[in-house]
Amino acid sequence: NAGVTQTPKFQVLKTGQSMTLQCAQDMNHNSMYWYRQDPGMGLRLIYYSASEGTTDKGEVPNGYNVSRLNKREFSLRLESAAPSQTSVYFCASSRTGTSVRNEQFFGPGTRLTVL
Amino acid sequence: DAKTTQPTSMDCAEGRAANLPCNHSTISGNEYVYWYRQIHSQGPQYIIHGLKNNETNEMASLIITEDRKSSTLILPHATLRDTAVYYCIVRVASDYKLSFGAGTTVTVRA
Repeated sequence: NAGVTQTPKFQVLKTGQSMTLQCAQDMNHNSMYWYRQDPGMGLRLIYYSASEGTTDKGEVPNGYNVSRLNKREFSLRLESAAPSQTSVYFCASSRTGTSVRNEQFFGPGTRLTVL
Repeated sequence: DAKTTQPTSMDCAEGRAANLPCNHSTISGNEYVYWYRQIHSQGPQYIIHGLKNNETNEMASLIITEDRKSSTLILPHATLRDTAVYYCIVRVASDYKLSFGAGTTVTVRA
């Protein structure tokens, strides 16, 4: 099993450009998440999808949109990138979101720079 | 508002036990304590969780004080590969979100 995969690994954008970050998991998990991590800080939740067909805002949703394409895939879109969105983006999945353990499995991250 | 307080950094000798403290003085009765770690540039990794009893698994032990206002993660025999940022998180089971603070940067030295 590959676990959680993310593409691309690195990306440089100019201010105002758009792009979509892709995430897929092969663990048959119901819940998926997008986090961002700024230098020297912990992760902050952008959006999550409790189950296929649902999405909800996290702590820092402004400037982002998400799509839960199917049970495996959860994409994050930046419509008009800004320098403040320079960060490392992590996708994660868990079997369910509201279990006690709720062990989240993380992908390797996408390092995004917006100039 | 940060729900947990952890030291910024700590060093540990290889082969010795590493004891990582965490204060969560405002924890509610239905909140669990979770520990994750993040090895450089990788995504975080689940370690252990607990409610009020001490817990142990193949990676670590979790000691929660009787009043539940603090806890300690114990890595029994630290190795160089345990060098990472360790996050202490409190969460209710019904909450999807994991709130990561700044964590403790643990450096294991040979």
